[in-house]
Amino acid sequence: AQKITQTQPGMFVQEKEAVTLDCTYDTSDPSYGLFWYKQPSSGEMIFLIYQGSYDQQNATEGRYSLNFQKARKSANLVISASQLGDSAMYFCAMREGGTGGFKTIFGAGTRLFVKA
Amino acid sequence: NAGVTQTPKFQVLKTGQSMTLQCAQDMNHNSMYWYRQDPGMGLRLIYYSASEGTTDKGEVPNGYNVSRLNKREFSLRLESAAPSQTSVYFCASSPMSYEQYFGPGTRLTVT
Repeated sequence: AQKITQTQPGMFVQEKEAVTLDCTYDTSDPSYGLFWYKQPSSGEMIFLIYQGSYDQQNATEGRYSLNFQKARKSANLVISASQLGDSAMYFCAMREGGTGGFKTIFGAGTRLFVKA
Repeated sequence: NAGVTQTPKFQVLKTGQSMTLQCAQDMNHNSMYWYRQDPGMGLRLIYYSASEGTTDKGEVPNGYNVSRLNKREFSLRLESAAPSQTSVYFCASSPMSYEQYFGPGTRLTVT
């Protein structure tokens, strides 16, 4: 069965420093996708980055990168040069089944606090 | 483009009442989803529609029904609301099964 684990309920980081948010997953499907979403205090869900299980390189989107370690089943989000606006909840999510799959499960989230 | 819109934004129901949450997207996406988010938790999938004319159960479908009215619209119905259904409900859409675009959410309280 699918499972997503985010073990850090809360994280603090100093402005302009990098931070890593942990995510581990469990699946028996060889084809899956991993996502990170940001939820600011205003409540909307914002897509950040995607990694496919067959992608050879780690995904990057601006200041966001996904450290994908397939053998360890981890998909950690790295935010470089943190900004005050990065303070939010961050959710890791997984979709099984390749491009034909649609069920997506979410982790419990990590709340990131960026200090000035 | 408005993206994904949801109505209403807020709703208070009494136990046993029914209501329908509306969702519409103008991005021509095939797939649409309904999630609920309880305090301090991630999102849980209630139902999804891979394409117009199809719907499937997610993790927590009990107590809900859905209708994929057309490609744009996907509604969620609570037939007999219960306090356990107090939550924030999010609708989302995606072009295939890649990233999802979320609506602003509906905050539902059942007393």
